[in-house]
Formats: sequence, structure tokens, C-alpha cells
Amino acid sequence: GQQLNQSPQSMFIQEGEDVSMNCTSSSIFNTWLWYKQDPGEGPVLLIALYKAGELTSNGRLTAQFGITRKDSFLNISASIPSDVGIYFCAGRPKTSYDKVIFGPGTSLSVIP
Amino acid sequence: DSGVTQTPKHLITATGQRVTLRCSPRSGDLSVYWYQQSLDQGLQFLIQYYNGEERAKGNILERFSAQQFPDLHSELNLSSLELGDSALYFCASSVERGVYNEQFFGPGTRLTVL
Repeated sequence: GQQLNQSPQSMFIQEGEDVSMNCTSSSIFNTWLWYKQDPGEGPVLLIALYKAGELTSNGRLTAQFGITRKDSFLNISASIPSDVGIYFCAGRPKTSYDKVIFGPGTSLSVIP
Repeated sequence: DSGVTQTPKHLITATGQRVTLRCSPRSGDLSVYWYQQSLDQGLQFLIQYYNGEERAKGNILERFSAQQFPDLHSELNLSSLELGDSALYFCASSVERGVYNEQFFGPGTRLTVL
């Protein structure tokens, strides 16, 4: 079935560093979504992408819809302690328009 | 605040019991999704309802069932509870209009089965 892979699985960075994470699939997706989840809380939508090549920013966060439509990237600039959490990508596959599939998440830890 | 509400926030019960989790979607959203998240795990899709009808099913156990009511709120029923059912249960809602189908999550219900 359709699956999303996220890398890295976890990362530990120093405060102030930039962060990059990605999400890949073996099939084409029409929509990419990035969420952040704080411990014990519900995921919060960060960025939504709808077109191949689209680059969208939300404050220090920037996400891109890959040209092949099989991947997406999330970058966080100048990380701060409150960036700690799990980042999930999610996507709507081209062949299963009704479904939204979530990746396994990237756990981010920021060392002050 | 996503606009999605879930009750109760915490639930502690014993094995073999039955519980009902409640979700109210954002105003205007017709679609409701239920997810299970066990400790340090990802989001496992359980079931989706759209305007009162079941639309998609994920890895939902036969002991679990859900429904969406005419006012669009949804309930997830978990019966014959087992220790392994302890988890966070999230509800999400979506407008499902064309390509605009972002899901907005509620704060979750933490279920503990003792």
C-alpha cells in the first residue's frame, strides 16, 4: 500500500541551527501537509502544499512540494527551544483521492 | 485552538469495559476522522465519516465502532477494552472541498485501561 517515509527519524540540534527534514513516497501525491505535535497534544497544521514545485513559508518554516510529486521538504531556520516536538508529513495520493496518509514522524530536540 | 473539541480529555477504565469518546468538528467541516496514537507511535488512522456516512476505514478493530450524527458530531465507541487499547485518541475534521482537505486535530482523549 501507499506509505510515507520520513527522515531523519530523530534529530538533536543546537539552538540557532537550521533544520531540514523530508518526506518521500514511491507514488505521486496531490497534496502535502506538514504538522507539528507537542507531547500529549494534537497535531497542529503548519503548512499545506497543493502544486508541484510550490514553496511556502510560515514564519521560520519553509516547505516545498517536490517537482516529482513524490516528496516534500520542511526547513526550520534559526531553531528555538519551542520547536521541540514531532513533525509529521501527510499527503493525499493521486490514486486514492479520499485518503490522507501520515508519515511516521521526525522527532526534533533542540539543545539550548 | 483548532476549533475541534473532544471530550473527555482523560479517561481511566478497566479491562472489559466500554467507553465512548466524543468529537465536535470545526464549524462548516463535514468530515470527521478518528486516529489512535500509542506511546511514542505515529498516528494510526481508524475511520472517517463524511456528512453522516462512513467514507473510509483504516486499521479499526471490530471491538471499535463510530458514528456521525446529523449535527455532525461524532462518537467513537470502544468495547471489551484491553490493556493495549491505552492510547491517545484524536479526532480531526476537514472541509473536504476540492483540493482543500487539510485536517484539523482536536486536543485528544487520553485513554488508560487498567
